[in-house]
Amino acid sequence: NAGVTQTPKFRVLKTGQSMTLLCAQDMNHEYMYWYRQDPGMGLRLIHYSVGEGTTAKGEVPDGYNVSRLKKQNFLLGLESAAPSQTSVYFCATSGRGGTSTDTQYFGPGTRLTVL
Amino acid sequence: AQKVTQAQTEISVVEKEDVTLDCVYETRDTTYYLFWYKQPPSGELVFLIRRNSFDEQNEISGRYSWNFQKSTSSFNFTITASQVVDSAVYFCALSVPGYNFNKFYFGSGTKLNVKP
Repeated sequence: NAGVTQTPKFRVLKTGQSMTLLCAQDMNHEYMYWYRQDPGMGLRLIHYSVGEGTTAKGEVPDGYNVSRLKKQNFLLGLESAAPSQTSVYFCATSGRGGTSTDTQYFGPGTRLTVL
Repeated sequence: AQKVTQAQTEISVVEKEDVTLDCVYETRDTTYYLFWYKQPPSGELVFLIRRNSFDEQNEISGRYSWNFQKSTSSFNFTITASQVVDSAVYFCALSVPGYNFNKFYFGSGTKLNVKP
């Protein structure tokens, strides 16, 4: 039972390159989230999904796209990476909101550097 | 508006000391959840506790205890007899019902250094 996994763990990109971060979960959770963590700023929500085939914007969605083709996977894409996107990216999952299964469980993170 | 404030940016203690991490939240919702997460140097975020707004009972789990006080909008976390392994960044978070999911609001974190 792996919980929430993220691929890759580390990545270095050049400005303008593209990449996709993969989040996979085996918790059968409906909700999935992508956050970025920057020093002194806590975690900020990029995009989220309330179920397979649905996505929505969070606080800081610009420069990112997401897809949720399968319930267990949530992909975060950077079409044209910029140095401002250097950050640690976390994926999280939770059961249906508003119930006792509201806790968000996080993946191990992906450290991305854009040169 | 919702907000979580962790005023202590960094705390240093010597092993075996007790330490309290402060968390103050703001919300006008009557139903909400409060959380604490631990982020050790390895980087992952580990869930520690969830508390709903209707349950003000304090909780103790081993050396960890949490004090929830609605009157002061605080949800403080105390580590008794701290150990080096407690060194980490600790985040407090608030979750309130939204249109279709419960949005999380994170504090900026408190870095705890426990020295041997």
